[in-house]
Amino acid sequence: DVKVTQSSRYLVKRTGEKVFLECVQDMDHENMFWYRQDPGLGLRLIYFSYDVKMKEKGDIPEGYSVSREKKERFSLILESASTNQTSMYLCASSPGATGGNQPQHFGDGTRLSIL
Amino acid sequence: AQKVTQAQTEISVVEKEDVTLDCVYETRDTTYYLFWYKQPPSGELVFLIRRNSFDEQNEISGRYSWNFQKSTSSFNFTITASQVVDSAVYFCALSEFGGANSKLTFGKGITLSVRP
Repeated sequence: DVKVTQSSRYLVKRTGEKVFLECVQDMDHENMFWYRQDPGLGLRLIYFSYDVKMKEKGDIPEGYSVSREKKERFSLILESASTNQTSMYLCASSPGATGGNQPQHFGDGTRLSIL
Repeated sequence: AQKVTQAQTEISVVEKEDVTLDCVYETRDTTYYLFWYKQPPSGELVFLIRRNSFDEQNEISGRYSWNFQKSTSSFNFTITASQVVDSAVYFCALSEFGGANSKLTFGKGITLSVRP
């Protein structure tokens, strides 16, 4: 079974802090994704990566950055946390098969609160 | 641009009732993929089904069935004889063909509550 592990289930940080959310997958997947989930808005893509050191902006990249130094690890960085970044953050991975037809596998999510 | 609409936001049923979750999509591509995911209270999204645009055959898996109709751009999900364990948020998603990164566009989700 694919396992996507997010480092924390719950996290509380202060406004202005630099926040790191870590995600590790164990299935040698090429693609990795970060989403945020908010009530009434569904899942929105923040950033994704299709290879080591490669990254692409999703729909809502402002205020975030990412890092992918190793294939199995994809980090989401909040450069200067703000209260409007309080949300559930979900990491996902998928194989790099052509065609876009591979399902994504998700972690359990990190519920981040910015005070 | 692609779009997925789940017009129902919350549905509440009594156990053993059948329930249908609607999904309507928009895309300019002729080749695309549709997905359903389940998010139980624990938070992890669980993949349920994938369907490609060339396969309009309906699918049944136990109490779950899916009805794909290209003519109406819909990919509806029916749970037969619902159970309390079916209580979750259900997401429909769309992926376009042509990229290696299988980027998904999600609907806003439907919260299903099954009462005993």
